[in-house]
Amino acid sequence: DAKTTQPPSMDCAEGRAANLPCNHSTISGNEYVYWYRQIHSQGPQYIIHGLKNNETNEMASLIITEDRKSSTLILPHATLRDTAVYYCIVRVSNSNSGYALNFGKGTSLLVTP
Amino acid sequence: NAGVTQTPKFRVLKTGQSMTLLCAQDMNHEYMYWYRQDPGMGLRLIHYSVGEGTTAKGEVPDGYNVSRLKKQNFLLGLESAAPSQTSVYFCASSYTGEPYNEQFFGPGTRLTVL
Repeated sequence: DAKTTQPPSMDCAEGRAANLPCNHSTISGNEYVYWYRQIHSQGPQYIIHGLKNNETNEMASLIITEDRKSSTLILPHATLRDTAVYYCIVRVSNSNSGYALNFGKGTSLLVTP
Repeated sequence: NAGVTQTPKFRVLKTGQSMTLLCAQDMNHEYMYWYRQDPGMGLRLIHYSVGEGTTAKGEVPDGYNVSRLKKQNFLLGLESAAPSQTSVYFCASSYTGEPYNEQFFGPGTRLTVL
């Protein structure tokens, strides 16, 4: 799987948009970009994923650059409950590991009042 | 619809003891996974299964065994626990292995080996 690079930590004020960047400069054409988050002591929670186009769901938006070498996860109106570690994962389409997710260390997002 | 459940939630073992962690899913998913997470680290894949009766090794399989006798259950066994196996264990499942199918995770089992 393509390696991803994320900042180790970020802060965001409650009610503001949180923009979490991710670099994946070695991504291949058939690799999806996934975002998960992990709230303290809980299991990872799926947020969103995309291949080429920007995606939006009830939780967040995913913006993928045209060359696909980087992406940004946007939480439009961050709340205190969004404080978590956010993982950007690039997932190959025919992995030998059963398509398992390759978690790095992620970005620790702290939403402050 | 309970999603993915794990039993037990917490466990303390002595070195050399054995135990089995149970993962159950009620979403009729084909693929199931066991990950471990050490402090300050991301998750690492231990074993996975692509269907009932099948299992395969992941990134860190040593010291663990698994079984998938029923589609909804995936068991992780520690035959002789070691302190290095102190970790939080997460189970996950997905409808298929295709990369557009997200994985759903359980709440985790916190294991301490003394």
